[in-house]
Amino acid sequence: EVQLLESGGGLVQPGGSLRLSCAASGFAFSNYAMNWVRRAPGKGLEWVSYITGSDGDTKYADSVKGRFTISRDNSKKTLFLQMNNVRVEDTAIYYCAKTVYGTPNWFDPWGQGTLVTVSA
Amino acid sequence: QSVLTQPPSVSGAPGQRVTISCTGSSSNIGAGYDVHWYQQVPGRAPKLLIFTNNNRPSGVPDRFSGSKSGTSASLAITGLQAEDEADYYCQSKDSSLSGSVFGTGTKVTVL
Repeated sequence: EVQLLESGGGLVQPGGSLRLSCAASGFAFSNYAMNWVRRAPGKGLEWVSYITGSDGDTKYADSVKGRFTISRDNSKKTLFLQMNNVRVEDTAIYYCAKTVYGTPNWFDPWGQGTLVTVSA
Repeated sequence: QSVLTQPPSVSGAPGQRVTISCTGSSSNIGAGYDVHWYQQVPGRAPKLLIFTNNNRPSGVPDRFSGSKSGTSASLAITGLQAEDEADYYCQSKDSSLSGSVFGTGTKVTVL
């Protein structure tokens, strides 16, 4: 069974940093691109970032470009999101999701999410 | 705001049929990009409901169906049940954006 388990969320002050992790199991992790998607309170889903399986090519939403960095450790089957210079509007539940290739790709499955709260 | 627009809410009585629209443009759905749909029950992670316009993953009831035409797509729920109360999102790609885009989301209420 494919499982994704996020961790690392918490309370952080504006301008601070936080590192999220997503531990994967049940599939050949290095063969699949992965994503971070978030949902802010009272808002809808927002795609945040994407990383390919082996060569590590990355993409970012304009809202986080230059502040967030996605990475992965295939030997540990773990996905990361380094969040720097966070803003109040980054407050959200952050989900990791496995990519299924299509035109466009879709996301299946999703982890249970980790809550990030940015507040002074 | 998203480039994919959904109605904020729809409602129906148990057993009824409801539809959710996902309206895009010539740079996304109209450009030929497929549409996928997700269900998010309150307090739970999103779950894939429909992929590539009209395909159901294993385990998704056939009460859920999807379609796509022109610059729009639709999700239909027939035989509405209390457990269908959730938020629903369409997802596609826009040629002006680097990654995927989600619709604005629709809350389904079972009366």
